[in-house]
Amino acid sequence: DAEITQSPRHKITETGRQVTLACHQTWNHNNMFWYRQDLGHGLRLIHYSYGVQDTNKGEVSDGYSVSRSNTEDLPLTLESAASSQTSVYFCASSEWASGASDTQYFGPGTRLTVL
Amino acid sequence: AQSVTQLDSQVPVFEEAPVELRCNYSSSVSVYLFWYVQYPNQGLQLLLKYLSGSTLVESINGFEAEFNKSQTSFHLRKPSVHISDTAEYFCAVSEYRGGSEKLVFGKGTKLTVNP
Repeated sequence: DAEITQSPRHKITETGRQVTLACHQTWNHNNMFWYRQDLGHGLRLIHYSYGVQDTNKGEVSDGYSVSRSNTEDLPLTLESAASSQTSVYFCASSEWASGASDTQYFGPGTRLTVL
Repeated sequence: AQSVTQLDSQVPVFEEAPVELRCNYSSSVSVYLFWYVQYPNQGLQLLLKYLSGSTLVESINGFEAEFNKSQTSFHLRKPSVHISDTAEYFCAVSEYRGGSEKLVFGKGTKLTVNP
């Protein structure tokens, strides 16, 4: 069955370190998204991609970067981790079929703690 | 830009009672509306969505939501809840702007069903 996976599921790191969170989908979807989930804020969009070599900034992109070298993967990099980036991170994907009405499929999440 | 307001952050109910989770949105253009559900320690999954046509949409597990354009609302209802409905529910809106299909989420409503 097609799926979307994230790794690691839990990560503890120190302030200032570079961290990369992996996202891999086997749906063959064109669109991929990264969100962070914080208490009281719901989900906020960090970066998104509509295809290979395409990346776009979302609502809360400062301190994060992504690259899309193939259809299946969209890794999220924290260039220099800060305590404010402690959060649960979700990756999602959707098919470019009908534009704004496409269902997004979510991964299980990565809980990141920055000490 | 669109925004979503979920009026209740927590809703406790007893098993077999009815429930309504409220969602209001703002947008200057036509929108698509979604409800996603997040069970404990899992990613989000689509519960139901409104694209066009009948303003009442239903899910396979007994939830329904009604799109009200004049009230800019998309409230989620279930006539009789089960313990297994305990989860966090997110309302989301998507605008179609030149191919963009970003979702904007509300802050979520945590539904707790008590025996």
